[in-house]
Amino acid sequence: EIVLTQSPGTLSLSPGERATLSCRASQSVSRSYLAWYQQKPGQAPRLLIYGVSSRATGIPDRFSGSGSGTDFTLTISRLEPEDFAVYYCQHYGSSVTFGGGTKVESK
Amino acid sequence: EVQLVESGGGLAQPGRSLRLSCAASGFTFIDYAMHWVRQPPGKGLEWVAAISGNSGSIGYADSVRGRFTISRDNARNSLYLQMNSLRAEDTALYYCAKEVDWSLDHWGQGTLVTVSS
Repeated sequence: EIVLTQSPGTLSLSPGERATLSCRASQSVSRSYLAWYQQKPGQAPRLLIYGVSSRATGIPDRFSGSGSGTDFTLTISRLEPEDFAVYYCQHYGSSVTFGGGTKVESK
Repeated sequence: EVQLVESGGGLAQPGRSLRLSCAASGFTFIDYAMHWVRQPPGKGLEWVAAISGNSGSIGYADSVRGRFTISRDNARNSLYLQMNSLRAEDTALYYCAKEVDWSLDHWGQGTLVTVSS
């Protein structure tokens, strides 16, 4: 089973700044099977990115995904107040696995 | 509009059973694989189980295999999770989610399962 390690655990930034979130897989994964989610307190997760870099319906273009092999990145180009949340990466293989999450908090 | 509504959560004693349901609407249910994902209070997401549209392919997390059973009724647009031999570590908010393109594009609001004596 592939293990996903997200870093940092917490990212403290100000609105307007750029956020770079990392997701490292324990072994090489296919690009098709890597996704990112956003979760705000009291809400269900929301799909942001699928297939490493494709934005889900309605997701603003300030969110972008990149990477290959074992290293993947979610970038938020300019943080908006509503972007402060927890972000999870997810891999779909023989089973589904989630990373431990990165909390993006307001500095 | 896609809607997923979970029900059936509650308080159960260790070793007992619960059955969760997820009512789906707004899409052609049989065309999509469905998943259960759980989240213990204050913790991250953990995948539980998945089932293909025709129920021909089913998968479980190691932590629930042999105790939980996922099923669906396409005539009723419903997804189920039968949870037996419940443990304290099964305490979590349980979400059902719809799969598309190897990701989960719609989620319900979850139903809370608490396992405690």
